[in-house]
Amino acid sequence: GENVEQHPSTLSVQEGDSAVIKCTYSDSASNYFPWYKQELGKRPQLIIDIRSNVGEKKDQRIAVTLNKTAKHFSLHITETQPEDSAVYFCAASITPGGGNKLTFGTGTQLKVEL
Amino acid sequence: NAGVTQTPKFQVLKTGQSMTLQCAQDMNHNSMYWYRQDPGMGLRLIYYSASEGTTDKGEVPNGYNVSRLNKREFSLRLESAAPSQTSVYFCASSGGPTFADFGEGSWLTVV
Repeated sequence: GENVEQHPSTLSVQEGDSAVIKCTYSDSASNYFPWYKQELGKRPQLIIDIRSNVGEKKDQRIAVTLNKTAKHFSLHITETQPEDSAVYFCAASITPGGGNKLTFGTGTQLKVEL
Repeated sequence: NAGVTQTPKFQVLKTGQSMTLQCAQDMNHNSMYWYRQDPGMGLRLIYYSASEGTTDKGEVPNGYNVSRLNKREFSLRLESAAPSQTSVYFCASSGGPTFADFGEGSWLTVV
């Protein structure tokens, strides 16, 4: 089955700096890669996703890049703010929905310091 | 729309007791999932249901059973709870072009 590895497990940045979280996956059939943000005691919430026919996607301060050949994808957060502090999870699936399993990475605790 | 609703939010069980976690979604999604979340281990899939009437094992199914009661509801049952099942449980659903919402979570402690 699919295996998703995520690094780093913790990341501390100064407010205004950029943060980068990296994930690798094992199943070359995977073609859907969402990212989730989870605040303490809350549910994971989808923040951005990318499909394998796209190399990069941006949404304001958040961007995701995908390298299918190398089987890795990354989350980039620019101009970080204290409210970006949370745990971030990457995930991979063969297709979104349709009963296909979504496999998660182990998470990155991001701390944005003032 | 309430999205994905799961109950109970908190539960303490004694070893060997049984209980059922309930999950319902009002988005007319075909697929539903149960995950458990443990510190440092991310979210691991317990069982999923691709559509009404079907269920399949995920990564960590041992000690659990599920029922897809209808399109809206997907329950998770612990027949004989063990301390290793102390965790936070999340139900989720999907049915469109993206993986959809998670429920708010159920905090389960087995003593």
